[in-house]
Amino acid sequence: DGGITQSPKYLFRKEGQNVTLSCEQNLNHDAMYWYRQDPGQGLRLIYYSQIVNDFQKGDIAEGYSVSREKKESFPLTVTSAQKNPTAFYLCASSPVGLLNEQFFGPGTRLTVL
Amino acid sequence: KQEVTQIPAALSVPEGENLVLNCSFTDSAIYNLQWFRQDPGKGLTSLLLIQSSQREQTSGRLNASLDKSSGRSTLYIAASQPGDSATYLCAVSNSNYQLIWGAGTKLIIKP
Repeated sequence: DGGITQSPKYLFRKEGQNVTLSCEQNLNHDAMYWYRQDPGQGLRLIYYSQIVNDFQKGDIAEGYSVSREKKESFPLTVTSAQKNPTAFYLCASSPVGLLNEQFFGPGTRLTVL
Repeated sequence: KQEVTQIPAALSVPEGENLVLNCSFTDSAIYNLQWFRQDPGKGLTSLLLIQSSQREQTSGRLNASLDKSSGRSTLYIAASQPGDSATYLCAVSNSNYQLIWGAGTKLIIKP
């Protein structure tokens, strides 16, 4: 089955800790994205990558970091510098090009205790 | 700066009715527009993608239209069912191939 997987589904973090959210895709897509979703708001872009070993900041990159060492994987680290990290995190992928149809994983809900 | 608005924020209708969800955007220079469905606590499912050169797309009971000149798109759902209850999100793609999102319309279909 082709698709995007995210793990874990639920994640709890103590204040001051860094945590890493996993995102893997087997769709052979070049581009991958991380979004944050808060209640009643649209999705906000954290980071995106259009090719291996390259990534760009989105609208709300502060307090987050990413890596893109493999085409299939785009992990997101939520650092202790992120002041309000409790949210629903969504990973997506798409082919590069004008069509840019994005496909999403099931999400990870992060809660800071 | 592109802004995307979805009105209403919530909508409740009886089963069987036809309904229209609205999406408006401020900059008509888009590459495409996508409609997504999101069930509570889940990821997003792509429903329809309309390229900037197209006027509409259809999939089953869903029909999405695009009017770039007026900055509007509508998602028409025919013969609504309780299983259609979800949040519907629209997003437009700009010149950087990024998506700009509306906040969504929460749809409830009453049996």
